[in-house]
Amino acid sequence: DAKTTQPPSMDCAEGRAANLPCNHSTISGNEYVYWYRQIHSQGPQYIIHGLKNNETNEMASLIITEDRKSSTLILPHATLRDTAVYYCIVRVEDDYKLSFGAGTTVTVRA
Amino acid sequence: GAGVSQSPSNKVTEKGKDVELRCDPISGHTALYWYRQSLGQGLEFLIYFQGNSAPDKSGLPSDRFSAERTGGSVSTLTIQRTQQEDSAVYLCASRLQLGFERGEQYFGPGTRLTVT
Repeated sequence: DAKTTQPPSMDCAEGRAANLPCNHSTISGNEYVYWYRQIHSQGPQYIIHGLKNNETNEMASLIITEDRKSSTLILPHATLRDTAVYYCIVRVEDDYKLSFGAGTTVTVRA
Repeated sequence: GAGVSQSPSNKVTEKGKDVELRCDPISGHTALYWYRQSLGQGLEFLIYFQGNSAPDKSGLPSDRFSAERTGGSVSTLTIQRTQQEDSAVYLCASRLQLGFERGEQYFGPGTRLTVT
């Protein structure tokens, strides 16, 4: 009963943009799209979240389709340090119990 | 600034022994969470503290697991009579939560527990 689906892995060239897709076709009206990542042997790290408007911060951009059934996380200039597992989840903003699926393993190659 | 810290980073223990895992949250963060992450499994919520109180302990898997938080800061997760299925990475996160202000959860590096 996963609420999001992501590709299991993707490669990206260093310096290029990495575009990570996520499908969430059953998202509810009050649920946000959140992205986290986990670098090997580290704890998860919050990246960005959004409800329906596109969002940008110092780490990434989040593009959410108009029907909110899918989104794309964009790392504008991938570096080797961006190699990690990226998790897309949907949740209401006050729901503190984070739960991740398998995520997308992103490997940035020189 | 200092992030969430956890100790020890690695712990190997024999089945049946008790272990204590420590979490130092970010200063001023009122909410603290414990999770565990097993190989091949996702992130599993264990317990949530707001200040020194634990309004949600629903994720603790058995009565061998307990946690406390003192002074609204440091938290200790204790596992009694450890079993091999307790082997996992135990993650702590903290969050600023004052009134309607909500920050994001910031995670520590985790404690890798191996029960032999």
